[in-house]
Amino acid sequence: ILNVEQSPQSLHVQEGDSTNFTCSFPSSNFYALHWYRWETAKSPEALFVMTLNGDEKKKGRISATLNTKEGYSYLYIKGSQPEDSATYLCASPGSGGSYIPTFGRGTSLIVHP
Amino acid sequence: EPEVTQTPSHQVTQMGQEVILRCVPISNHLYFYWYRQILGQKVEFLVSFYNNEISEKSEIFDDQFSVERPDGSNFTLKIRSTKLEDSAMYFCASSEFVRGTQYFGPGTRLTVT
Repeated sequence: ILNVEQSPQSLHVQEGDSTNFTCSFPSSNFYALHWYRWETAKSPEALFVMTLNGDEKKKGRISATLNTKEGYSYLYIKGSQPEDSATYLCASPGSGGSYIPTFGRGTSLIVHP
Repeated sequence: EPEVTQTPSHQVTQMGQEVILRCVPISNHLYFYWYRQILGQKVEFLVSFYNNEISEKSEIFDDQFSVERPDGSNFTLKIRSTKLEDSAMYFCASSEFVRGTQYFGPGTRLTVT
C-alpha cells in the first residue's frame, strides 16, 4: 500500500493570491498521479492525470507539475477566486498488476473575497 | 455531459440490516469502482469491477460486502449485515480505461445506528 501525503491540510488565502500545495508519494514503482477537485456536496472532479517526470499540465488558472524521481507533485492556483474553494485530492494508483489507488487526505482551500 | 449518479443520497439503517447502494456509471465506461470515506479520514478504495467480475479489492472489502452489475446499467454495492463502523460516505466511480481518469458520483451517505 502506497503512502500518499498532502500538505498543508488546509489553506486560507485572499482573493487574487496565488497559492500552491504538495502531494508526495513513493517514487519507486510510480505509475501515475491523479489530482481531483472536490467541492462540498459535489463529486470529486478529475483535474489532471500525470505520468511523466517533468510533466506540467494546465487548466485555466490551475497547473500542476510532477517530479517522479523525488516523489512529489505541486498544484498551483494563480489569482485564486472564491469559487476555487474546495478540497484538492491527489491519488496514486498502484503499479504492476495492481491498480488499487491510494488517496492523500486532501488540502482544503478557502479563498476569502 | 454524462455523469455518474448514485442513489440514495442518504441511507439510514439499523445495525445488522442489509443495505444496497446503487450507482449508474457513465454508459460507455467499462471499469467501475467503489470507495468510501469515513468522516475525517482519507478516501479508501474498496473494489474495482470489470467484465462482470471483481478486478481488485482492498482489505476492507470483506465477506460482508458484494458488488453486482445486475442489468448492464446499474452497479450495486451490498453490505449484508451493517456495523456501526460502516457509517461513511460511499462513492461510486467509473472509467473508460484501466487506470484512466475516474469520474465520481455524488456519493451516498450511509448512517448505521
